[in-house]
Amino acid sequence: DGGITQSPKYLFRKEGQNVTLSCEQNLNHDAMYWYRQDPGQGLRLIYYSQIVNDFQKGDIAEGYSVSREKKESFPLTVTSAQKNPTAFYLCASSLRRDRSSYNEQFFGPGTRLTVL
Amino acid sequence: ILNVEQSPQSLHVQEGDSTNFTCSFPSSNFYALHWYRWETAKSPEALFVMTLNGDEKKKGRISATLNTKEGYSYLYIKGSQPEDSATYLCAFFYTGRRALTFGSGTRLQVQP
Repeated sequence: DGGITQSPKYLFRKEGQNVTLSCEQNLNHDAMYWYRQDPGQGLRLIYYSQIVNDFQKGDIAEGYSVSREKKESFPLTVTSAQKNPTAFYLCASSLRRDRSSYNEQFFGPGTRLTVL
Repeated sequence: ILNVEQSPQSLHVQEGDSTNFTCSFPSSNFYALHWYRWETAKSPEALFVMTLNGDEKKKGRISATLNTKEGYSYLYIKGSQPEDSATYLCAFFYTGRRALTFGSGTRLQVQP
């Protein structure tokens, strides 16, 4: 079955620790995205990548870092510099980077991160 | 960053009622508008991708219209069913930014 997997589903972190959220897709999509959702708010873009070894900051990139070494993988690291990391994190991917506006995004199941 | 506004924030209707929601976006720099449905405990799923002024799309009882000149899109659900209960997100793609900007969603609850 093709799709996007995120792990873990729930993650607890102590303050001051870095943590990495996994996102893998087997849809052969070029573009991948990370979003954050807080209660009562929409999805806010953290980082996105249109192609391997290239990525751009989204609207709320501070305190986060990403890598895109393989087409199918786009891990997100939440660093200790992120002031309020407790949130729900969604990963998505889409086809054809040059026409990315026309192509729907496919989402993973999400990771809920709680900082203790 | 250009903003996307959705209204209402939430809606409770009875089974069989028809309903509609609004998505407002800046009309300049428009490239595409997406609608997604997000059911509880599931991942968001795409409903429609719309690019042309006057576009109308339909999927079963759900349809959407697009007005790029005035900057709005309507999503209609005819004869709402309990399984339509979800959060409906719209997202706007504009030139100069290679990623979607999402609204905060409309949460629909359909009572049997």
